[in-house]
Amino acid sequence: AQSVSQHNHHVILSEAASLELGCNYSYGGTVNLFWYVQYPGQHLQLLLKYFSGDPLVKGIKGFEAEFIKSKFSFNLRKPSVQWSDTAEYFCAVKNYGGATNKLIFGTGTLLAVQP
Amino acid sequence: GAGVSQSPSNKVTEKGKDVELRCDPISGHTALYWYRQSLGQGLEFLIYFQGNSAPDKSGLPSDRFSAERTGGSVSTLTIQRTQQEDSAVYLCASSLASHSYEQYFGPGTRLTVT
Repeated sequence: AQSVSQHNHHVILSEAASLELGCNYSYGGTVNLFWYVQYPGQHLQLLLKYFSGDPLVKGIKGFEAEFIKSKFSFNLRKPSVQWSDTAEYFCAVKNYGGATNKLIFGTGTLLAVQP
Repeated sequence: GAGVSQSPSNKVTEKGKDVELRCDPISGHTALYWYRQSLGQGLEFLIYFQGNSAPDKSGLPSDRFSAERTGGSVSTLTIQRTQQEDSAVYLCASSLASHSYEQYFGPGTRLTVT
């Protein structure tokens, strides 16, 4: 069965530090890839997505992610985090063209940025 | 425009009672999804509606769970004879169509079964 792994469950950084959150998935076909973010007290919001084309995608608030097909990875990066980036981050995968349109989510990474 | 809305925002129920959770998708979105977010776990797919097609119910954890979507818009998730393990945040999402469109999530309903 498809699965998504986020190996970092809890990350603590100081402001201005660089961020990389890992995401690996287990599906060999064509996929769509997403990072969602959930700020404290708010609902899930899309941070960025990859459907096709340039494997380096840029999202909101200075985030970017790189799709490496050979590694089944879609890691999230930000060169310099801010206190306002404190949130929970979820990686998600969807089979492109599959019978269903469901998203398979990772278990999330809780990021705490210290001022 | 208005996003996905869900009601109630919080629901506390006694074990064994039935509950209904409501989702109003974004106007014009033909696809609707229910997910569950349990403590310490990621989001788990429950059910998916697309237009007039038969729903994908493959994620429903037991036959106590059911969902319907009336008129291609509002959806209701029903949990019968609730159990403590049903305690979770139930999230609804909608998208314009299916495969190539991102899903927009509602604020969720936090269900607590005592």
